[in-house]
Amino acid sequence: NAGVTQTPKFQVLKTGQSMTLQCAQDMNHEYMSWYRQDPGMGLRLIHYSVGAGITDQGEVPNGYNVSRSTTEDFPLRLLSAAPSQTSVYFCASSWDSQETQYFGPGTRLLVL
Amino acid sequence: DQQVKQNSPSLSVQEGRISILNCDYTNSMFDYFLWYKKYPAEGPTFLISISSIKDKNEDGRFTVFLNKSAKHLSLHIVPSQPGDSAVYFCAAHPSQGGSEKLVFGKGTKLTVNP
Repeated sequence: NAGVTQTPKFQVLKTGQSMTLQCAQDMNHEYMSWYRQDPGMGLRLIHYSVGAGITDQGEVPNGYNVSRSTTEDFPLRLLSAAPSQTSVYFCASSWDSQETQYFGPGTRLLVL
Repeated sequence: DQQVKQNSPSLSVQEGRISILNCDYTNSMFDYFLWYKKYPAEGPTFLISISSIKDKNEDGRFTVFLNKSAKHLSLHIVPSQPGDSAVYFCAAHPSQGGSEKLVFGKGTKLTVNP
């Protein structure tokens, strides 16, 4: 099992550009989530999904879109990147929201 | 308003000694608590958890203590090893919810010196 994989590992964007951060898991987990981690801050929940076709907002959803067309994949889209979105992004998954989560290795994003 | 507070950004201990990482919370609805460990350039990994019906949970060298009246929990690592050097995050959520209600602290960077 590869677990939770994220691509790319590192990305530089210019303000206003769009991009999609990819997340995939091969554990057949229903629950998936996206977090961002900023210096001196804990992880903050952006969006989450309790199963294919179902998504909901977390604590800091503005500027991000998600979709969940399959159990395995949960991409995070930035439609118009802003410098405030410079951060490290982590995807996580678990059997359900009551189970502990497995995290991917992260994507480091720099928006200039 | 921080609901989960880790007031020590860093901690340094000698190999073989005890490491004590502290966490305070303000939301009285929290009743499930977790510790995650994070190495540089990796995602967090689950370490240990405790439910509010317990005051202690032990797993090998790791023990978590919960003091509900003080809204305080601590992670003890005995004996500390250089491989324990990492950032430790405390997290909590209420029973009416799961990971979608999970709140993380800012983390404490532990350095274990050989």
